[in-house]
Amino acid sequence: EAQVTQNPRYLITVTGKKLTVTCSQNMNHEYMSWYRQDPGLGLRQIYYSMNVEVTDKGDVPEGYKVSRKEKRIFPLILESPSPNQTSLYFCASRDRGWGPYEQYFGPGTRLTVT
Amino acid sequence: AQTVTQSQPEMSVQEAETVTLSCTYDTSENNYYLFWYKQPPSRQMILVIRQEAYKQQNATENRFSVNFQKAAKSFSLKISDSQLGDTAMYFCASVGGSNYKLTFGKGTLLTVNP
Repeated sequence: EAQVTQNPRYLITVTGKKLTVTCSQNMNHEYMSWYRQDPGLGLRQIYYSMNVEVTDKGDVPEGYKVSRKEKRIFPLILESPSPNQTSLYFCASRDRGWGPYEQYFGPGTRLTVT
Repeated sequence: AQTVTQSQPEMSVQEAETVTLSCTYDTSENNYYLFWYKQPPSRQMILVIRQEAYKQQNATENRFSVNFQKAAKSFSLKISDSQLGDTAMYFCASVGGSNYKLTFGKGTLLTVNP
Protein backbone atom coordinates (compact mmCIF):
# COMPACT_ATOMS: atom_id res chain seq x y z
CA GLU A 1 0.00 0.00 0.00
CA ALA A 2 1.33 3.44 -0.98
CA GLN A 3 1.75 5.51 2.12
CA VAL A 4 3.58 8.17 4.06
CA THR A 5 4.38 7.21 7.63
CA GLN A 6 5.10 9.53 10.53
CA ASN A 7 6.34 8.77 14.04
CA PRO A 8 5.41 9.52 16.67
CA ARG A 9 1.76 10.37 16.16
CA TYR A 10 1.54 12.21 19.46
CA LEU A 11 4.31 13.84 21.44
CA ILE A 12 4.35 15.96 24.59
CA THR A 13 7.68 17.48 25.51
CA VAL A 14 9.22 20.31 27.46
CA THR A 15 10.86 23.48 26.25
CA GLY A 16 14.41 22.99 25.05
CA LYS A 17 14.44 19.20 24.79
CA LYS A 18 15.59 18.19 21.32
CA LEU A 19 13.23 15.99 19.35
CA THR A 20 12.93 14.39 15.94
CA VAL A 21 9.79 13.52 14.03
CA THR A 22 10.43 10.84 11.46
CA CYS A 23 8.82 10.56 8.06
CA SER A 24 9.14 7.84 5.46
CA GLN A 25 7.41 7.07 2.17
CA ASN A 26 7.28 3.91 0.07
CA MET A 27 6.37 5.45 -3.29
CA ASN A 28 9.91 6.25 -4.49
CA HIS A 29 9.07 9.95 -4.54
CA GLU A 30 11.92 12.39 -4.87
CA TYR A 31 10.04 15.37 -3.45
CA MET A 32 9.20 15.53 0.24
CA SER A 33 8.10 18.37 2.48
CA TRP A 34 6.94 19.30 5.96
CA TYR A 35 3.92 21.43 6.85
CA ARG A 36 2.50 22.65 10.11
CA GLN A 37 -1.20 23.21 10.68
CA ASP A 38 -2.47 25.77 13.16
CA PRO A 39 -6.10 26.76 13.83
CA GLY A 40 -7.20 29.59 11.58
CA LEU A 41 -3.97 29.51 9.56
CA GLY A 42 -4.32 26.46 7.37
CA LEU A 43 -1.17 24.53 6.50
CA ARG A 44 2.16 26.25 5.99
CA GLN A 45 5.30 24.76 4.52
CA ILE A 46 8.31 24.45 6.83
CA TYR A 47 10.96 22.81 4.64
CA TYR A 48 11.03 20.86 1.43
CA SER A 49 13.44 18.58 -0.38
CA MET A 50 13.54 18.20 -4.16
CA ASN A 51 15.81 15.16 -3.87
CA VAL A 52 18.47 13.70 -1.57
CA GLU A 53 20.90 16.46 -2.50
CA VAL A 54 18.60 19.47 -2.24
CA THR A 55 16.65 20.84 0.72
CA ASP A 56 15.40 24.36 1.20
CA LYS A 57 13.32 26.55 3.47
CA GLY A 58 9.62 26.98 3.13
CA ASP A 59 7.53 29.75 4.61
CA VAL A 60 8.08 29.07 8.33
CA PRO A 61 11.51 27.43 8.80
CA GLU A 62 12.60 29.19 12.01
CA GLY A 63 13.36 26.73 14.79
CA TYR A 64 13.42 23.65 12.54
CA LYS A 65 16.02 21.58 10.74
CA VAL A 66 15.69 18.77 8.24
CA SER A 67 17.94 16.02 7.00
CA ARG A 68 17.57 13.98 3.81
CA LYS A 69 20.15 11.20 3.74
CA GLU A 70 17.92 8.65 2.07
CA LYS A 71 15.36 9.08 -0.66
CA ARG A 72 12.49 7.64 1.34
CA ILE A 73 13.20 9.30 4.73
CA PHE A 74 12.88 12.98 5.67
CA PRO A 75 13.04 13.71 9.41
CA LEU A 76 12.06 17.02 11.01
CA ILE A 77 14.32 18.13 13.83
CA LEU A 78 13.50 20.61 16.58
CA GLU A 79 16.80 21.40 18.30
CA SER A 80 15.27 23.49 21.10
CA PRO A 81 11.48 23.32 20.99
CA SER A 82 9.44 26.23 22.27
CA PRO A 83 5.72 26.47 23.11
CA ASN A 84 5.01 28.33 19.85
CA GLN A 85 5.96 25.14 18.01
CA THR A 86 2.98 23.37 19.50
CA SER A 87 1.14 22.34 16.35
CA LEU A 88 -0.01 19.55 14.07
CA TYR A 89 2.73 18.50 11.68
CA PHE A 90 2.35 16.80 8.32
CA CYS A 91 4.92 15.20 6.10
CA ALA A 92 4.09 14.93 2.40
CA SER A 93 5.62 13.50 -0.75
CA ARG A 94 4.94 13.63 -4.47
CA ASP A 95 6.41 12.73 -7.83
CA ARG A 96 9.00 15.12 -9.11
CA GLY A 97 8.15 17.14 -12.17
CA TRP A 98 5.74 19.85 -13.14
CA GLY A 99 2.14 18.72 -13.23
CA PRO A 100 -0.98 18.37 -11.10
CA TYR A 101 0.61 15.66 -9.06
CA GLU A 102 -1.05 14.80 -5.80
CA GLN A 103 0.92 15.40 -2.64
CA TYR A 104 0.44 12.41 -0.37
CA PHE A 105 0.24 13.30 3.29
CA GLY A 106 1.20 11.34 6.35
CA PRO A 107 -1.29 10.91 9.21
CA GLY A 108 0.04 13.89 11.16
CA THR A 109 2.00 14.32 14.39
CA ARG A 110 0.40 16.26 17.21
CA LEU A 111 3.20 18.02 19.13
CA THR A 112 2.72 19.82 22.43
CA VAL A 113 5.60 21.79 23.94
CA THR A 114 5.13 22.85 27.56
CA ALA B 1 4.04 34.54 -4.40
CA GLN B 2 0.65 32.93 -4.07
CA THR B 3 -2.25 33.53 -1.74
CA VAL B 4 -5.42 31.51 -1.26
CA THR B 5 -8.50 32.89 0.47
CA GLN B 6 -11.44 30.95 1.82
CA SER B 7 -14.01 33.42 3.10
CA GLN B 8 -16.37 30.93 4.78
CA PRO B 9 -14.93 29.61 8.07
CA GLU B 10 -17.94 27.35 8.62
CA MET B 11 -20.86 26.04 6.61
CA SER B 12 -23.60 23.52 7.11
CA VAL B 13 -25.87 21.61 4.75
CA GLN B 14 -28.62 19.05 5.04
CA GLU B 15 -27.95 15.53 3.92
CA ALA B 16 -28.71 15.00 0.20
CA GLU B 17 -28.56 18.71 -0.58
CA THR B 18 -25.95 20.63 -2.57
CA VAL B 19 -23.40 23.00 -1.10
CA THR B 20 -20.74 25.25 -2.64
CA LEU B 21 -17.51 26.23 -0.90
CA SER B 22 -15.78 29.38 -2.08
CA CYS B 23 -12.11 29.94 -2.82
CA THR B 24 -10.23 32.78 -4.45
CA TYR B 25 -6.54 32.88 -5.18
CA ASP B 26 -3.84 35.15 -6.44
CA THR B 27 -0.67 34.18 -8.23
CA SER B 28 2.02 35.69 -10.39
CA GLU B 29 2.67 32.36 -12.09
CA ASN B 30 1.46 31.63 -15.60
CA ASN B 31 1.30 27.90 -14.93
CA TYR B 32 -0.32 26.66 -11.76
CA TYR B 33 -2.61 24.01 -10.41
CA LEU B 34 -5.47 24.15 -7.96
CA PHE B 35 -6.63 21.55 -5.47
CA TRP B 36 -9.28 20.87 -2.89
CA TYR B 37 -8.26 18.73 0.06
CA LYS B 38 -10.57 17.26 2.66
CA GLN B 39 -9.58 16.74 6.30
CA PRO B 40 -12.09 14.62 8.25
CA PRO B 41 -11.93 14.28 12.05
CA SER B 42 -9.22 11.64 11.59
CA ARG B 43 -6.98 14.55 10.47
CA GLN B 44 -5.85 12.70 7.33
CA MET B 45 -5.45 15.01 4.33
CA ILE B 46 -7.33 13.58 1.36
CA LEU B 47 -7.26 14.95 -2.17
CA VAL B 48 -10.78 15.64 -3.41
CA ILE B 49 -10.24 17.20 -6.82
CA ARG B 50 -7.61 18.99 -8.89
CA GLN B 51 -7.70 21.52 -11.73
CA GLU B 52 -5.06 22.44 -14.26
CA ALA B 53 -5.18 26.20 -14.79
CA TYR B 54 -4.65 25.98 -18.54
CA LYS B 55 -7.71 23.75 -18.95
CA GLN B 56 -10.98 25.60 -19.34
CA GLN B 57 -13.10 22.56 -18.61
CA ASN B 58 -14.13 22.27 -14.99
CA ALA B 59 -12.93 19.15 -13.21
CA THR B 60 -15.43 16.68 -11.79
CA GLU B 61 -15.02 13.65 -9.51
CA ASN B 62 -18.30 11.86 -8.87
CA ARG B 63 -20.32 14.14 -6.55
CA PHE B 64 -17.59 16.78 -6.45
CA SER B 65 -17.11 19.43 -9.11
CA VAL B 66 -15.43 22.78 -9.38
CA ASN B 67 -16.35 26.10 -10.92
CA PHE B 68 -13.05 27.47 -12.16
CA GLN B 69 -13.18 31.11 -13.22
CA LYS B 70 -9.65 31.95 -14.26
CA ALA B 71 -10.16 35.65 -14.97
CA ALA B 72 -11.82 36.12 -11.59
CA LYS B 73 -9.26 33.85 -9.90
CA SER B 74 -12.04 31.86 -8.36
CA PHE B 75 -12.11 28.12 -7.68
CA SER B 76 -15.24 26.99 -5.86
CA LEU B 77 -16.11 23.42 -4.89
CA LYS B 78 -19.61 22.05 -5.32
CA ILE B 79 -20.67 18.96 -3.41
CA SER B 80 -23.85 17.35 -4.68
CA ASP B 81 -26.02 14.90 -2.75
CA SER B 82 -24.15 15.67 0.47
CA GLN B 83 -23.48 12.72 2.74
CA LEU B 84 -22.72 12.54 6.46
CA GLY B 85 -19.22 11.37 5.59
CA ASP B 86 -18.58 14.66 3.81
CA THR B 87 -18.39 16.38 7.21
CA ALA B 88 -14.80 17.69 7.30
CA MET B 89 -12.53 20.67 7.00
CA TYR B 90 -12.00 21.56 3.35
CA PHE B 91 -8.86 23.29 2.18
CA CYS B 92 -8.34 25.03 -1.13
CA ALA B 93 -4.72 25.03 -2.29
CA SER B 94 -2.58 26.13 -5.21
CA VAL B 95 0.77 25.06 -6.61
CA GLY B 96 2.88 27.30 -8.76
CA GLY B 97 6.60 27.82 -9.19
CA SER B 98 9.50 25.46 -9.09
CA ASN B 99 9.36 24.27 -5.49
CA TYR B 100 5.98 22.50 -5.79
CA LYS B 101 4.83 24.20 -2.59
CA LEU B 102 1.16 23.87 -1.76
CA THR B 103 -0.23 27.20 -0.59
CA PHE B 104 -3.35 26.58 1.48
CA GLY B 105 -6.33 28.65 2.43
CA LYS B 106 -7.43 28.73 6.06
CA GLY B 107 -10.11 26.14 5.49
CA THR B 108 -13.89 25.82 5.63
CA LEU B 109 -15.46 23.53 8.20
CA LEU B 110 -18.41 21.79 6.55
CA THR B 111 -21.01 20.01 8.64
CA VAL B 112 -23.57 17.75 6.98
CA ASN B 113 -26.68 17.42 9.10
CA PRO B 114 -28.98 14.37 9.01
